[in-house]
Amino acid sequence: EDQVTQSPEALRLQEGESSSLNCSYTVSGLRGLFWYRQDPGKGPEFLFTLYSAGEEKEKERLKATLTKKESFLHITAPKPEDSATYLCAVQARGTSGGSYIPTFGRGTSLIVHP
Amino acid sequence: EAGVTQFPSHSVIEKGQTVTLRCDPISGHDNLYWYRRVMGKEIKFLLHFVKESKQDESGMPNNRFLAERTGGTYSTLKVQPAELEDSGVYFCASSAYRTTYEQYFGPGTRLTVT
Repeated sequence: EDQVTQSPEALRLQEGESSSLNCSYTVSGLRGLFWYRQDPGKGPEFLFTLYSAGEEKEKERLKATLTKKESFLHITAPKPEDSATYLCAVQARGTSGGSYIPTFGRGTSLIVHP
Repeated sequence: EAGVTQFPSHSVIEKGQTVTLRCDPISGHDNLYWYRRVMGKEIKFLLHFVKESKQDESGMPNNRFLAERTGGTYSTLKVQPAELEDSGVYFCASSAYRTTYEQYFGPGTRLTVT
């Protein structure tokens, strides 16, 4: 069974204090790994797609990396507006053979204090 | 461009009643997905439409849940009769292509069954 474990569950940072969020996964035949940001009362917002080990993607203060077993979301010099829940999901082939069913982790709740 | 919209935003019903959730995807998006997040758990896939056809419904919990997408536009998810364990946040997402994971999520419908 595909599994995604995110750590830590919650993270508090001071503004400017860089850190990393972890997403460990177990999936047969990884098609892709995805990071989302979710603000309270809203749906997940797509951030990155990573397809192969060694791949990296960047967006503003965020950088996502991928290995064969885990992904990291590095946050450099975070600001209070980066506060949100960050979700990781892996893409696996569905039982119908044509649908890419995602497996989500429970997320990391990030709070950045000014 | 309008995003994915969901209605209602909140619904409180009694056990045994019926509730219908609606999702309007981004115009032109053939792929529509339903997900559910139960409190304290991860987001879980329910089903996937391609236009008006059900591509994969392997995540539907039981036959009390019925999803439709008439005409390939908006979709409804009916729960009848509702049980306590159906409480959670129901998300809808849409994408232009089946094989991409850049899905656009709606804000969700919070369902509470009492």
